[in-house]
Amino acid sequence: DIQMTQSPSSLSASLGDRVTVTCRASQSISSYLNWYQQKPGKAPKLLIYAASSLQSGVPSRFSGSGSGTDFTLTISSLQPEDFGTYYCQQSYSTPRTFGQGTKVESK
Amino acid sequence: EVQLVQSGAEVKKPGESLRISCQGSGYSFTSYWITWVRQMPGKGLEWMGRIDPSDSYSNYNPSFQGHVTISADKSISTAYLEWRSLKASDTAIYYCARRGSGGTYATYYYMDVWGKGTTVTVSS
Repeated sequence: DIQMTQSPSSLSASLGDRVTVTCRASQSISSYLNWYQQKPGKAPKLLIYAASSLQSGVPSRFSGSGSGTDFTLTISSLQPEDFGTYYCQQSYSTPRTFGQGTKVESK
Repeated sequence: EVQLVQSGAEVKKPGESLRISCQGSGYSFTSYWITWVRQMPGKGLEWMGRIDPSDSYSNYNPSFQGHVTISADKSISTAYLEWRSLKASDTAIYYCARRGSGGTYATYYYMDVWGKGTTVTVSS
């Protein structure tokens, strides 16, 4: 199985901050990388697919980059509705695997 | 509106059987695979397996194979996740999700529509 490792596990940020979350795969996955946001008590929501493609309806302050083994999710200016947990997930091979999550909290 | 509607919360005893459901609407149910994802209390997301509703072909994460069964009834646009003998460690929220696809130079797969989740509690 491909292991996905996110860093940091949690971070504290203020409104308007630029926030970066990193995801590393245990082997090359090309651009087969998705990012999801999950808020407490809610289902995950797709933000980014194919490493850098913004899902329809997702604000442009979210962006993704990377290929191979190293990937980044960036929130350019943190908004109140952005607090929650973010997961990366590889779609290169089965079983699909997720990172352990990065919790974004208010500073 | 495209949506996946999951069955309600369940409370079961160890050793009991259970089947939970996920009904799709607003799209062609047989055109998209359905995936099941587990989230144990306070933990992250785990991919359990998926099914093609058009022919009921399924594949599983080896970590779950043999303990759960994924099935589908395309006549009622519904996918199922089933246990024959529950354990306390099956206590979790179970999400179904639609496998979407996109991309310009390659086909990329992702989970684009999610159900609200079914909470399963297994306790004696």
